[in-house]
Amino acid sequence: GQQVMQIPQYQHVQEGEDFTTYCNSSTTLSNIQWYKQRPGGHPVFLIQLVKSGEVKKQKRLTFQFGEAKKNSSLHITATQTTDVGTYFCAGPNSGYSTLTFGKGTMLLVSP
Amino acid sequence: DGGITQSPKYLFRKEGQNVTLSCEQNLNHDAMYWYRQDPGQGLRLIYYSQIVNDFQKGDIAEGYSVSREKKESFPLTVTSAQKNPTAFYLCASNQLGGFANTGELFFGEGSRLTVL
Repeated sequence: GQQVMQIPQYQHVQEGEDFTTYCNSSTTLSNIQWYKQRPGGHPVFLIQLVKSGEVKKQKRLTFQFGEAKKNSSLHITATQTTDVGTYFCAGPNSGYSTLTFGKGTMLLVSP
Repeated sequence: DGGITQSPKYLFRKEGQNVTLSCEQNLNHDAMYWYRQDPGQGLRLIYYSQIVNDFQKGDIAEGYSVSREKKESFPLTVTSAQKNPTAFYLCASNQLGGFANTGELFFGEGSRLTVL
C-alpha cells in the first residue's frame, strides 16, 4: 500500500535557526497536506498543496510540492519556541477517501 | 462554536473490558475518521465513514468496532480483542472534495486510553 515517509524523525534547534522536514511518498500524489501537533494537543491543518512544483508561504513557513508530486518539504525560517511540536505530512489514498500520514518530525526549539 | 467533541479525555480500563469512545461533530461534515496515535508512529487509520449507516475498515481495524447511525456521531468501541489498546485516539471529520482537494481534516482533542 501507499507509504509516506518523513525525515528527520526528530530535530532539536536553537531559537533563530532554520528547520526543514522532508516528506516522500511511494506513489504520485494528487495533493499533500501538512499538519502541526503541539505537545499534548491534536493535529491542526496548516496547508494543502496541489500543483506540481507549488511553493506556498505562511509567514516564516515555506511549503514546497515536488515537480513529480512525490515529495514535499516544510521549511521554517528563524524558529521560535512557539514552533515546537510535531509536523506531519499526509497524502490521499488512491480513492481520495482517506489520508495516509507520515510518522512526523518532532521539533524542539531551545531559547 | 463548530467543532469536534471527543469524550472522555482520559479513560482507564481493566484488561478484557470493552470501552466506547464518543465523537460528535457539528460541522455538518459527511466523512468521519478514527485514528490511533502511538509515540513515534504517526497517525494510523482505524475506521472511517463517508455516509450514515456505512463505514470501512482502515489499516488497523482489528479489535475495534464503530457505528454511524447519525451524521454527527461516530463512536468507537475498543474491544477486548484489541491486543494493545493503550493509546491516544483521535477522531476527525472533513468534507470530501474529490481529486485535487481531499478536504482538510478537523480533529477532536483526543481520548487517551490506558488499559491496566
